[in-house]
Amino acid sequence: DAGITQSPRYKITETGRQVTLMCHQTWSHSYMFWYRQDLGHGLRLIYYSAAADITDKGEVPDGYVVSRSKTENFPLTLESATRSQTSVYFCASSELTAGSGNTIYFGEGSWLTVV
Amino acid sequence: GQNIDQPTEMTATEGAIVQINCTYQTSGFNGLFWYQQHAGEAPTFLSYNVLDGLEEKGRFSSFLSRSKGYSYLLLKELQMKDSASYLCAVRPASGGSYIPTFGRGTSLIVHP
Repeated sequence: DAGITQSPRYKITETGRQVTLMCHQTWSHSYMFWYRQDLGHGLRLIYYSAAADITDKGEVPDGYVVSRSKTENFPLTLESATRSQTSVYFCASSELTAGSGNTIYFGEGSWLTVV
Repeated sequence: GQNIDQPTEMTATEGAIVQINCTYQTSGFNGLFWYQQHAGEAPTFLSYNVLDGLEEKGRFSSFLSRSKGYSYLLLKELQMKDSASYLCAVRPASGGSYIPTFGRGTSLIVHP
């Protein structure tokens, strides 16, 4: 039971480089999310996807790109990394429906440092 | 939009009881989650409240008052392993999106 997996778990990159964080889930959940977590800010939603080929912006989308060609994968790309994007990134998935308490399941996180 | 407020940090003694509060202001409400997050790990689900009242689950209980925009997480018989961050998340009811918004979390330190 793999659940939801992220890669890489740890990454150091230079300012201006492109970085892609991968996310894969085995539950066939319709919703997938990318959050970043920074001290003092908690979990902030970057992008989310309600289904394959459907993506939408969250609270802090600037500087990030996502795609979802397959239900199980939801990669996050930093097109030109900046130091302010140093953070812990969590991918998550869920079956969000009206009137239900379906929880969000998180991956183990990707620690990204931009130098 | 939504505004969620939790204390930043709390400390408690092993074996004691601690209550972590969460207040929220939201244009629509469809439930409140509590998550636990140990340092360096992913958040994990603790509880979900959609109706007023207390939900008990072992040593952890969660309470909700929708009219007051208020919830609390009650941890009994505290153990050292309960040292973690506790995240409150509110699920909206409007706009066709049911994506929870997270508070900044409360860091709980349990000492002997």
